[in-house]
Amino acid sequence: QVQLVQSGAEVKKPGASVKISCKTSGYTFMDHAIHWVRQAPGQGLEWIGWINVYNGHTKYSQKFQGTVTITTDTSASTAYVELRSLRSEDTAVYYCARLSFTDTTNYYRYLDYWGQGTLVSVSA
Amino acid sequence: DIQMTQSPSSLSASVGDRVTITCRASQRISDYLNWFQKKPGEAPNLLIYAASTLQSGVPSRFSGAGSGTDFTLTINGLQPEDFATYYCQQSYSLPSFGQGTVVDIK
Repeated sequence: QVQLVQSGAEVKKPGASVKISCKTSGYTFMDHAIHWVRQAPGQGLEWIGWINVYNGHTKYSQKFQGTVTITTDTSASTAYVELRSLRSEDTAVYYCARLSFTDTTNYYRYLDYWGQGTLVSVSA
Repeated sequence: DIQMTQSPSSLSASVGDRVTITCRASQRISDYLNWFQKKPGEAPNLLIYAASTLQSGVPSRFSGAGSGTDFTLTINGLQPEDFATYYCQQSYSLPSFGQGTVVDIK
């Protein structure tokens, strides 16, 4: 069965960096893009960015451009998101999700499997 | 960027009720619209994609409709496990989510 298993909770100080992993199994890693989404306490879902696992192409929300990097290790079927220059506002649960799509005519895209979430707490 | 606006922000309902949530896009997105259910401490769960296609394993009491800029998610016969927050998300361009609609017990 498809699984995305994320690394454990992190506590960081402002200005630090953190790298979260998302280990996948149960499907061909190269066949699906990986997206990252976060949810701050009491807030809604916020899209961060995505990576085309096949060619390594990435795209980020303008908000996270320059402070976030998404990468993969195809040999380990694992995706990563690194967040730099952390601020208290980055305290959130971070999720990875697999992108699937329908036929190539309409190419409907949807996030069908998600990791369990990783809490990142940023505090002095 | 495409902005997604949901209404209402919250609603109270009883088991067995029919519930409808609306999502509006800031520009036309055809039917590139997905709906998720989110419960505290759990990952989002995909309910509907392509505006009206039920994801495998999702109960048939959930349905979606709409195209262009206006969309709805309807729950026919609300069940205890349906009390949660619901999000729409457009997949027409770089993804964006609505602000969420909390469905709680009346």
